[in-house]
Amino acid sequence: AQSVSQHNHHVILSEAASLELGCNYSYGGTVNLFWYVQYPGQHLQLLLKYFSGDPLVKGIKGFEAEFIKSKFSFNLRKPSVQWSDTAEYFCAATGFRGSARQLTFGSGTQLTVLP
Amino acid sequence: EAGVAQSPRYKIIEKRQSVAFWCNPISGHATLYWYQQILGQGPKLLIQFQNNGVVDDSQLPKDRFSAERLKGVDSTLKIQPAKLEDSAVYLCASSLGVSGQQPQHFGDGTRLSIL
Repeated sequence: AQSVSQHNHHVILSEAASLELGCNYSYGGTVNLFWYVQYPGQHLQLLLKYFSGDPLVKGIKGFEAEFIKSKFSFNLRKPSVQWSDTAEYFCAATGFRGSARQLTFGSGTQLTVLP
Repeated sequence: EAGVAQSPRYKIIEKRQSVAFWCNPISGHATLYWYQQILGQGPKLLIQFQNNGVVDDSQLPKDRFSAERLKGVDSTLKIQPAKLEDSAVYLCASSLGVSGQQPQHFGDGTRLSIL
């Protein structure tokens, strides 16, 4: 069965620190990858997505993610975090066949940025 | 554009009672999803509609959960009777199509507490 793993449940950083959140997926074939973010009191919103092509994708608010096929990973990065980046971050994936087309989420990483 | 609308925002009921949630997707979005998000976990797909037809309900506990989208626009999700383990946030999302490459847009969710 398809699965998405996020290894860090809670990350605490100071402003200006660099961020990397891990995401690994388990899919049998071609995969589409997403990062969603949920700011406090708001709904889930798309941060960035990868379908094909350049494995380094850039999203909103200075975030980027790198797809490494050999490692089944899609880690999220930001060189310098801000207090406003405090939120919960979800990695998600879909495949192309049958039930794999479901959007499968990881368990999420709560990021707290200290001012 | 207006986002995905959900109501109510909060609901508290006793076990064995019934409850219903409503969702109005973004105008023009043919695909509608209901997710269950238990505390500390990522959202899990319950059911997916394409217009007024069910695409995937493999993870819907059909003995107690039901959902409909009769006119292919808004949708209701019902739980009858509720169990303690149904305490969760119920999220509705919509997208233009069923392709795994179509980003999903989420509502604010309904937080359900079972006493």
